[in-house]
Amino acid sequence: QVQLVQSGAEVKKPGASVKVSCKVSGYTLTELSMHWVRQAPGKGLEWMGGFDPEDGETIYAQKFQGRVTMTEDTSTDTAYMELSSLRSEDTAVYYCATLYDSSGYYLYYFDYWGQGTLVTVSS
Amino acid sequence: DIQMTQSPSSVSASVGDRVTITCRASQGISSWLAWYQQKPGKAPKLLIYAASSLQSGVPSRFSGSGSGTDFTLTISSLQPEDFATYYCQQANSFPPITFGQGTRLEIK
Repeated sequence: QVQLVQSGAEVKKPGASVKVSCKVSGYTLTELSMHWVRQAPGKGLEWMGGFDPEDGETIYAQKFQGRVTMTEDTSTDTAYMELSSLRSEDTAVYYCATLYDSSGYYLYYFDYWGQGTLVTVSS
Repeated sequence: DIQMTQSPSSVSASVGDRVTITCRASQGISSWLAWYQQKPGKAPKLLIYAASSLQSGVPSRFSGSGSGTDFTLTISSLQPEDFATYYCQQANSFPPITFGQGTRLEIK
């Protein structure tokens, strides 16, 4: 059973950066394809990017290109999402989530989710 | 990008009712569709994938159908724990992965 435990809430000023972590247990990070999804207060789900097992690269949503960096530390089985140049519209709960593994073949659905990390951007 | 549109945006129903939520894709996505349930303050939970496959551990009162552009999520007999917000998500075209705007299921 995969468990994803995220870092705690953050408050940042406009223009700053935030780095959210997602610690994996039950599996190793190399066995998973990790993605990030965010949800602004009272709004829907927005995919930010993640590891594409088809080509072995990290893909970012066009909206976040140049502002987001997703990394992994396989020695600690921890994934990170860093978002820079924060603005008030980035206030949201950020989730890590894993792609569905259908017997070694990944499908683009999310079966395991972290508990979410609230990032508040305010001056 | 493929746009996903859910209807209705909200629905009120009673325990024991049968409820259907619809999701429409802006272009054909075959059966590459998932449904999620989200309760307040919690992460989404995968209910249905591949349009009609029930995720392990999900009660059988949940079912999904459709292909191409039109999909439905049906809850056959609402239970108190089913009142939540439901999202559809297309998995046909990557990137990006896109979600519907959500349907809030409320107690009547």
